[in-house]
Amino acid sequence: GAGVSQSPSNKVTEKGKDVELRCDPISGHTALYWYRQSLGQGLEFLIYFQGNSAPDKSGLPSDRFSAERTGGSVSTLTIQRTQQEDSAVYLCASSPPGEETQYFGPGTRLLVL
Amino acid sequence: AQSVSQHNHHVILSEAASLELGCNYSYGGTVNLFWYVQYPGQHLQLLLKYFSGDPLVKGIKGFEAEFIKSKFSFNLRKPSVQWSDTAEYFCAVSANAGNNRKLIWGLGTSLAVNP
Repeated sequence: GAGVSQSPSNKVTEKGKDVELRCDPISGHTALYWYRQSLGQGLEFLIYFQGNSAPDKSGLPSDRFSAERTGGSVSTLTIQRTQQEDSAVYLCASSPPGEETQYFGPGTRLLVL
Repeated sequence: AQSVSQHNHHVILSEAASLELGCNYSYGGTVNLFWYVQYPGQHLQLLLKYFSGDPLVKGIKGFEAEFIKSKFSFNLRKPSVQWSDTAEYFCAVSANAGNNRKLIWGLGTSLAVNP
């Protein structure tokens, strides 16, 4: 079946602009995660959605970052007033109910000039 | 706070050499353990996982990992690597506490296998 998809695959933006990154999880998966992967770094947790529960936003690095998940499916990660240090690969993952294995999308490579 | 430590950041091996990548975590309770792999140009995928039972788990492509609870370790092994094993390997741990299934990730180990 279809895996996790993310769009765009690449995004180049200018410092100060807002960007929106999209994630389509695998159908039926109730958990959705956003991570950031910087060059030479591991995965940095950003935010976690589980069903209708309040999201775990503990990993968001600043109030410029926000995410929402509409209808328990598609999620959008928004970065306002982008900075050069926001340049990274943003990864989305989803998990089926009751399972912790995370299935990753291909990521969005963000470059802030 | 939980943390995951991967001891080797860069490993270079020749084909047919044996591989062991270290992973240690800090958490005293019940954990679920994962190894993920990211091949060049591809997305992260699950290599193997341990939830309970036999502490020696087998994964795809001949990989295995052993959970040693007393050492808080979950090292990844392969008896004979191939060039196609060149990839980034990540260890991850879940504290399996309540409804929070957030994984804590190691920084990754970059493996290069020379033909």
